[in-house]
Amino acid sequence: SQTIHQWPATLVQPVGSPLSLECTVEGTSNPNLYWYRQAAGRGLQLLFYSVGIGQISSEVPQNLSASRPQDRQFILSSKKLLLSDSGFYLCAWSGGSNQPQHFGDGTRLSIL
Amino acid sequence: AQSVTQPDIHITVSEGASLELRCNYSYGATPYLFWYVQSPGQGLQLLLKYFSGDTLVQGIKGFEAEFKRSQSSFNLRKPSVHWSDAAEYFCAVGSIQGAQKLVFGQGTRLTINP
Repeated sequence: SQTIHQWPATLVQPVGSPLSLECTVEGTSNPNLYWYRQAAGRGLQLLFYSVGIGQISSEVPQNLSASRPQDRQFILSSKKLLLSDSGFYLCAWSGGSNQPQHFGDGTRLSIL
Repeated sequence: AQSVTQPDIHITVSEGASLELRCNYSYGATPYLFWYVQSPGQGLQLLLKYFSGDTLVQGIKGFEAEFKRSQSSFNLRKPSVHWSDAAEYFCAVGSIQGAQKLVFGQGTRLTINP
């Protein structure tokens, strides 16, 4: 069966520090991969998605970037964190068209 | 552009009572529709999905949803709620093409009274 792993589960970072959140999927190949951010008390905002290695689409302009160095690995990064980057970050995968998305357990990011 | 509206931000029901969570969508073609549930501090779990066919969809944990094209709705129902159903519920609409991006509603927080 397929599983998705996100780490770390929680992270506290100072303003201006770099960021790297990692997401990996097991048990499937060539998944679509997604990064979402969920602000407190709000819905999910799609940040990035990828349909293949090295293929990244950005949904909103922001202080973050994403990379897909391997088929089942998706990384969310920032060179300098802002206070507004605080939130709950969720990674998801799907098997492609006609398939639902499946979510990881998320990373709670707090910026001080 | 796709959009999803969940009119109720917060709903409180008594344990054992019936439940209906509303979802209205806007999409130019036949939508793919989903309901997810999120417990505090956790990721989202898929409850059910509608792609085509029977408009009444059965999901996990005793939930069902009905797709009504004429009303652009996909309401979630459960005949008798349990205290463990307390969570945040999200409706989402997806495109059938390409990366199948999802657009989520703002969510409905469900509280269960004992």
